[in-house]
Amino acid sequence: EDKVVQSPLSLVVHEGDTVTLNCSYEVTNFRSLLWYKQEKKAPTFLFMLTSSGIEKKSGRLSSILDKKELFSILNITATQTGDSAVYLCAVEVRGNKLVFGAGTILRVKS
Amino acid sequence: EPEVTQTPSHQVTQMGQEVILRCVPISNHLYFYWYRQILGQKVEFLVSFYNNEISEKSEIFDDQFSVERPDGSNFTLKIRSTKLEDSAMYFCASSLTGSGNTIYFGEGSWLTVV
Repeated sequence: EDKVVQSPLSLVVHEGDTVTLNCSYEVTNFRSLLWYKQEKKAPTFLFMLTSSGIEKKSGRLSSILDKKELFSILNITATQTGDSAVYLCAVEVRGNKLVFGAGTILRVKS
Repeated sequence: EPEVTQTPSHQVTQMGQEVILRCVPISNHLYFYWYRQILGQKVEFLVSFYNNEISEKSEIFDDQFSVERPDGSNFTLKIRSTKLEDSAMYFCASSLTGSGNTIYFGEGSWLTVV
């Protein structure tokens, strides 16, 4: 059975802190790994990773994939209160479907 | 920015009733999906739809569920006889290429079965 596990389940930090969110996976027919931010309802796309070792960066957010060890990390530097959200990791497998982890709840305190 | 729209945003229904959740995908997208998220649990894949047919479905998507693209713009999910455990947020999504980075999610329809 395809499985995606995220850690930690929740995290409380202060503004300005750096956070690292983890995602490990065990799937057949891996196609890509995606990170989403879910604030109230719809997940919004952050990154798609397909190759090991290539960092994707967008502003204060960055992510990298290790296909040998089957994990990915999402880093957020200089956190702001607006970063408070649930961060979802999902793996795209054959059949164009996404297998999601349970998410990491991030709360950034001012 | 183009978006996937869903209606209703919230529906309360009696157990055993039929429910239709509606979605308008992004207009030039070719792949359509339904996912659901039971309160406090993971987002789960239900079904994918391409070229007017189901391309993949999960174990959750049993005979009580069906999908349709009746008129080239709407994409619907029907639950024939709702159960309490169908209470969840249902997300519609669409994609241009089927690749993960082109998937856009709607805001969701929250279904409460009482």
